[in-house]
Amino acid sequence: EAGVTQSPTHLIKTRGQQATLRCSPISGHTSVYWYQQALGLGLQFLLWYDEGEERNRGNFPPRFSGRQFPNYSSELNVNALELEDSALYLCASSLGGSTGELFFGEGSRLTVL
Amino acid sequence: GENVEQHPSTLSVQEGDSAVIKCTYSDSASNYFPWYKQELGKGPQLIIDIRSNVGEKKDQRIAVTLNKTAKHFSLHITETQPEDSAVYFCAASLNDYKLSFGAGTTVTVRA
Repeated sequence: EAGVTQSPTHLIKTRGQQATLRCSPISGHTSVYWYQQALGLGLQFLLWYDEGEERNRGNFPPRFSGRQFPNYSSELNVNALELEDSALYLCASSLGGSTGELFFGEGSRLTVL
Repeated sequence: GENVEQHPSTLSVQEGDSAVIKCTYSDSASNYFPWYKQELGKGPQLIIDIRSNVGEKKDQRIAVTLNKTAKHFSLHITETQPEDSAVYFCAASLNDYKLSFGAGTTVTVRA
């Protein structure tokens, strides 16, 4: 069974540009989470989608947004990129609802120059 | 919101020795405490978790203890092996998705 897949693996952008990251959850999982992992920091919660709806977001500015598609895949959009947005963006999926194991993808490395 | 602190940030142990990582959390209502292991170039993977109605849980060489009164929990790895070298994250949450992670501990097992 395929795990959580993310694309692209690496992305290089310049300040002010927009970045779009994509995530496909494990088959049967309806919840998708996005986390930011900056160098030397832990995982910071960004967004949670379940059944196509945004359920909650972390303490990030509105230029971080996303959506979940009917097939439960998701994309994360970051507008007006800033240097400090450089990080590994991790997507995770779960069966949905409340606590349970999160299954993480290998991440998308975003570098903003 | 929940704040999780994790110590130490780096840990070097001799193969065969034990490794201990400690975490504290701020929200006394938190009731789910997982530990994730992240190997180089990969996403974090759940290795063990504990819920607030349990004080200790073991799985082969890995054990987690929870002290709800003191609001801290620990990961213990016994008989460490080179493949235990990785970054370990603790996390805490209250009955929901929104896990709050610690900053991570880089564990190096010396052969």
